[in-house]
Amino acid sequence: KAGVTQTPRYLIKTRGQQVTLSCSPISGHRSVSWYQQTPGQGLQFLFEYFSETQRNKGNFPGRFSGRQFSNSRSEMNVSTLELGDSALYLCASRIGLAGAQETQYFGPGTRLLVL
Amino acid sequence: GESVGLHLPTLSVQEGDNSIINCAYSNSASDYFIWYKQESGKGPQFIIDIRSNMDKRQGQRVTVLLNKTVKHLSLQIAATQPGDSAVYFCAENSYNAGNMLTFGGGTRLMVKP
Repeated sequence: KAGVTQTPRYLIKTRGQQVTLSCSPISGHRSVSWYQQTPGQGLQFLFEYFSETQRNKGNFPGRFSGRQFSNSRSEMNVSTLELGDSALYLCASRIGLAGAQETQYFGPGTRLLVL
Repeated sequence: GESVGLHLPTLSVQEGDNSIINCAYSNSASDYFIWYKQESGKGPQFIIDIRSNMDKRQGQRVTVLLNKTVKHLSLQIAATQPGDSAVYFCAENSYNAGNMLTFGGGTRLMVKP
């Protein structure tokens, strides 16, 4: 079974631009979560999507948004990029059983550099 | 591409020795804990998990110990190999938090041949 895939793997943008990152979960997984990883803050939760609905949201500004499609693929968008948004953006998927704490499997990440 | 911080605590061990990586968690309501391994340029890879109704769980060459009294988690790797060199993260989750994982800062494990 293929793992979580993320595209693109690397991106360079300039301040003020916006960016969209894509994530395809493991086949059969319906929940997708996004995390930001930086040297200063470590790994931080952004949001989780299940059945096209945002289930949970971390403490990030409204410039960070996401969505999920009917095939469980997810995208996240960052508008008005700032230098501090430079990070590795990780997507994780799980099966999504209700009320279950399940292992989350991570993709390779998208490395975003904001200049 | 480096994906982790420059000032991580580092554990350096000799190949073949056992490694112990420690983690303190903060939320007493956390009831599910996971260890991930992250190699350079890759996403975190699941190693082992443990629920709060257990204090020990063993996998292949790895053991996780949970001490809820002092909110401490440890990962033991037996017969450490060069391929074990990576950054190791503990993550905690509480049922009330949905599936939001809270990660520790990470420990870099370096295995000397």
